[in-house]
Amino acid sequence: ILNVEQSPQSLHVQEGDSTNFTCSFPSSNFYALHWYRWETAKSPEALFVMTLNGDEKKKGRISATLNTKEGYSYLYIKGSQPEDSATYLCASPYSGGGADGLTFGKGTHLIIQP
Amino acid sequence: SQTIHQWPATLVQPVGSPLSLECTVEGTSNPNLYWYRQAAGRGLQLLFYSVGIGQISSEVPQNLSASRPQDRQFILSSKKLLLSDSGFYLCAWSMGGGAFFGQGTRLTVV
Repeated sequence: ILNVEQSPQSLHVQEGDSTNFTCSFPSSNFYALHWYRWETAKSPEALFVMTLNGDEKKKGRISATLNTKEGYSYLYIKGSQPEDSATYLCASPYSGGGADGLTFGKGTHLIIQP
Repeated sequence: SQTIHQWPATLVQPVGSPLSLECTVEGTSNPNLYWYRQAAGRGLQLLFYSVGIGQISSEVPQNLSASRPQDRQFILSSKKLLLSDSGFYLCAWSMGGGAFFGQGTRLTVV
């Protein structure tokens, strides 16, 4: 089982401000890093799948970077809006992207304050 | 397109009662299926995964079991619920990495 860590655990951000948070994972035997957005009482929504060191992906105001050598990924949100409030999860496959599922971090709970 | 159905959405059960949560997937064949749980104050934890009918792997020892009687059906069960079984249960499917989740079941054991 992998050790996937996320920080901070929770984050309060003023509307309009930009923010970022971290996911760290073992750098050995890396296969992929997934980011999900999870709203209460809904199913997690896939944001990004990242596989290449140095990769950067963007979806609207949300972007993510990946450093597989040092074992971390950052998620950035530019100009936060109230609808960005959610728990953001990162996850990595147990091994080789095979059938044995994803290990999730505990998530960063983001609250955007108007 | 693929869809995943999970029910019920919420459930309140007394300690010692049985449990059956059902998950079905449409629009795909031979998916990998998963049950995850989020307990209070904790992250998502993989409970079971299945790569085919009748094939179940358990990630952590617990009071729960899983079965896959059909290709696109995954069932989570317990014979006698414990208070510690309370949590949010998510069914998911994947093919080749990543996961797509059901809507989840909020289980409260009282």
